[in-house]
Amino acid sequence: AQKITQTQPGMFVQEKEAVTLDCTYDTSDPSYGLFWYKQPSSGEMIFLIYQGSYDQQNATEGRYSLNFQKARKSANLVISASQLGDSAMYFCAMRDQWNNAGNMLTFGGGTRLMVKP
Amino acid sequence: KAGVTQTPRYLIKTRGQQVTLSCSPISGHRSVSWYQQTPGQGLQFLFEYFSETQRNKGNFPGRFSGRQFSNSRSEMNVSTLELGDSALYLCASSWGLAGVGNEQFFGPGTRLTVL
Repeated sequence: AQKITQTQPGMFVQEKEAVTLDCTYDTSDPSYGLFWYKQPSSGEMIFLIYQGSYDQQNATEGRYSLNFQKARKSANLVISASQLGDSAMYFCAMRDQWNNAGNMLTFGGGTRLMVKP
Repeated sequence: KAGVTQTPRYLIKTRGQQVTLSCSPISGHRSVSWYQQTPGQGLQFLFEYFSETQRNKGNFPGRFSGRQFSNSRSEMNVSTLELGDSALYLCASSWGLAGVGNEQFFGPGTRLTVL
């Protein structure tokens, strides 16, 4: 069974600084995808970034980058130049990606990020 | 392109009643997944539909059911509501089954309160 662990329930970061949100995962499947979502107080889950288990390079999307360390089974999200609008819950998630496994995501418990002005 | 829409956004029911939630995926997307989010259990997968067929089902009692129509719109139904069913119900759509680049896009959710 898949498992996602986010060990930081809450974090503060100063505006314009970079912050790293931790995510470790456990799976026995050789092919999987790792996702990060942002959930503001409104409730909608916003897709941020994706990393495939066979991708050779770390994924980047604007101010978001994913520090993927396959041997350590970690997929940390790095947000550069934090903005006040980055204050939200952040979820790490995993999905099987072979044998038509479907789109079921397994989520971690989330990290609440608060950006200080 | 319009995003995933869910109706209603808010719902209040009493124990024992049943409820139906609706989800319209992004145009062209054929996969719809449902998730339940509660403070205690976090985000949990309910089920996924693809081309009107249930592909996967999470560990929920039979009171939770769903279906998908030929236009890919999906509904989920909860019968005999319990207090513990109070949650944010999120719907997500994808163009196909799991694969590279096949991200899921979520709707705004339906917040269900059971009194």
